[in-house]
Amino acid sequence: SSELTQDPAVSVALGQTVRITCQGDSLRSYYASWYQQKPGQAPVLVIYGKNNRPSGIPDRFSGSSSGNTASLTITGAQAEDEADYYCNSRDSSGNHLRVFGGGTKLTVL
Amino acid sequence: QVQLQESGPGLVKPSGTLSLTCAVSGGSISSSNWWSWVRQPPGKGLEWIGEIYHSGSTNYNPSLKSRVTISVDKSKNQFSLKLSSVTAADTAVYYCARDRGIVATERYFDYWGQGTLVTVSS
Repeated sequence: SSELTQDPAVSVALGQTVRITCQGDSLRSYYASWYQQKPGQAPVLVIYGKNNRPSGIPDRFSGSSSGNTASLTITGAQAEDEADYYCNSRDSSGNHLRVFGGGTKLTVL
Repeated sequence: QVQLQESGPGLVKPSGTLSLTCAVSGGSISSSNWWSWVRQPPGKGLEWIGEIYHSGSTNYNPSLKSRVTISVDKSKNQFSLKLSSVTAADTAVYYCARDRGIVATERYFDYWGQGTLVTVSS
């Protein structure tokens, strides 16, 4: 079982806004990072830290955090955003371990 | 631009040892980063296996710790994964990744290898 909990699936209408959440005790102390993975491809970092985007990631992707929940928001979802999204952070044991959420399958309708 | 490339056998027999290497180019493995292995069974999610620093310090997923060894070869700018006593449950795509984050509370994987499928089968 994962110490970071994500909804298995979320859908959004083209051009609308969607929020993907990640819950876990460790998120009270550590930032989450977010990864987009399309079929047959390696994961790609889309958000890290408080709300930082790597070069090349569209500004429609943003991140936020409150309490034990981290969120990835896509404002104006595009067809190419359909993918699996994973959050990652430290585990809650304090033993410098990393953990992924179970992933959220995003469908753009 | 940092690039990572996994290499190793694509087929391992049950009870054997899975061995993979990740070659790092475009940057030094001795930089201030950790280097991780992540795997993904077919149709399933990502699982962090463990990490290593260029000093040789390691951290492992407790669920795999008894079977995993991660090592670094600074002279070749690469790091390696060994997973012993494999079963069919270890069949997965294995990725190596750079774990960036100077700040302990803000760690992230910014570069990934393309991944390599390892199948455990007789």
